Amino acid sequence: QVQLVQSGAEVENPGASVKVSCKASGYSFTSYYIHWVRQAPGQGLEWMGIINPGTGSTTYAQKFQGRITMTRDTSTSTVYMELSSLRSEDTAVCYCATGGDYYDYWGQGTLVTVSS
Amino acid sequence: EIVLTQSPATLSLSPGERATLSCRASQSVSSYLAWYQQKPGQAPRLLIYDASNRATGTPARFSGSGSGTDFTLTISSLEPEDFAVYYCQQRSNWPRLTFGGGTKVEIK
Repeated sequence: QVQLVQSGAEVENPGASVKVSCKASGYSFTSYYIHWVRQAPGQGLEWMGIINPGTGSTTYAQKFQGRITMTRDTSTSTVYMELSSLRSEDTAVCYCATGGDYYDYWGQGTLVTVSS
Repeated sequence: EIVLTQSPATLSLSPGERATLSCRASQSVSSYLAWYQQKPGQAPRLLIYDASNRATGTPARFSGSGSGTDFTLTISSLEPEDFAVYYCQQRSNWPRLTFGGGTKVEIK
């Protein structure tokens, strides 16, 4: 069965960077694009960007341009999302998600806390 | 950017009642709209895709309708497990998928 398993919770200082991983299994890694979506505490869902695991090409939400990087490692079927210049407003649960045209499958979420 | 506006923000109903949730797009998204359900501490779950198609495992009491800019999610008779937050999402300008702000269905 399709599974996305994310790395554990992170606590970072303002101005630092965080890198979250998402390991895919149960399907051909290059078959589906993988998206990243975040959710601030008590808030809605926000699309961050997408990576094509086959080619490594990416598209990012305008809001995060310049401080987000998505990469992949095909040898381990893992994608990574790195967010830099963190501020308190970046405190959120980050999800990876995949499927066909919509998000049939989600990771369990990674809480990123930005606090001094 | 396509903006999705959901209403109402909160819906207070009793089990067995009918729930009607609305999602309005700032421009036409054709039928490229999905609905997700999210319970506390969980990732969202896909319920409806392409406006009216139930995803695998979605109970028949959930139905979606609409096209263009106006969409509706209907839960014909609320079960206790249906009390949750519901989000709409468009894929018309894929890959820049956007979500609505959510509707919380709470127990009255």
